[in-house]
Amino acid sequence: GQSLEQPSEVTAVEGAIVQINCTYQTSGFYGLSWYQQHDGGAPTFLSYNALDGLEETGRFSSFLSRSDSYGYLLLQELQMKDSASYFCAVSPNNAGNMLTFGGGTRLMVKP
Amino acid sequence: ETGVTQTPRHLVMGMTNKKSLKCEQHLGHNAMYWYKQSAKKPLELMFVYSLEERVENNSVPSRFSPECPNSSHLFLHLHTLQPEDSALYLCASSQDGRGVGGYTFGSGTRLTVV
Repeated sequence: GQSLEQPSEVTAVEGAIVQINCTYQTSGFYGLSWYQQHDGGAPTFLSYNALDGLEETGRFSSFLSRSDSYGYLLLQELQMKDSASYFCAVSPNNAGNMLTFGGGTRLMVKP
Repeated sequence: ETGVTQTPRHLVMGMTNKKSLKCEQHLGHNAMYWYKQSAKKPLELMFVYSLEERVENNSVPSRFSPECPNSSHLFLHLHTLQPEDSALYLCASSQDGRGVGGYTFGSGTRLTVV
């Protein structure tokens, strides 16, 4: 089976940088994704990493280390609107290939 | 507007009722999913349809019954639910089941079983 660990809550101030970590255990691995969900809203896709290294998309970056079964989401120049829950998800490399999600990290950005 | 539309947004039903949740996507995606989101728990995959065929059941109780009449529509039929089934039910679609291009989620149906 698959399991993912990420912190339940993180607090940071506007303008700061925050890193949300995700470690995973899976019987097979294809890639690591990140999703953002605001209260009352739908999860929205942020990034996908299949290879080791850093992927940058504007203020958000995502990192993957396959050998360490570890990844993180880096948010820079934090804004109040970044307050949301962030989920990591793994794509297992087996038949079906459905996403398995972590429990989510609630990010609170303070002024 | 997310590209995936779910109705209703909110639903309150008694334990003896029968109701259905509806999901619709016009993104040209080949796979559609039902997820359950409960407080303080990870998103739980319930059902997957790929090219209109069910490929994953995930040991969901039979009081939940999915239906996928075509590649754009997905239903979740509910019957004789329990209070612990109260949750946010999310529909998603994707072109690639591995998530390379991301899953597109609807805003969900907030279900309360009384």
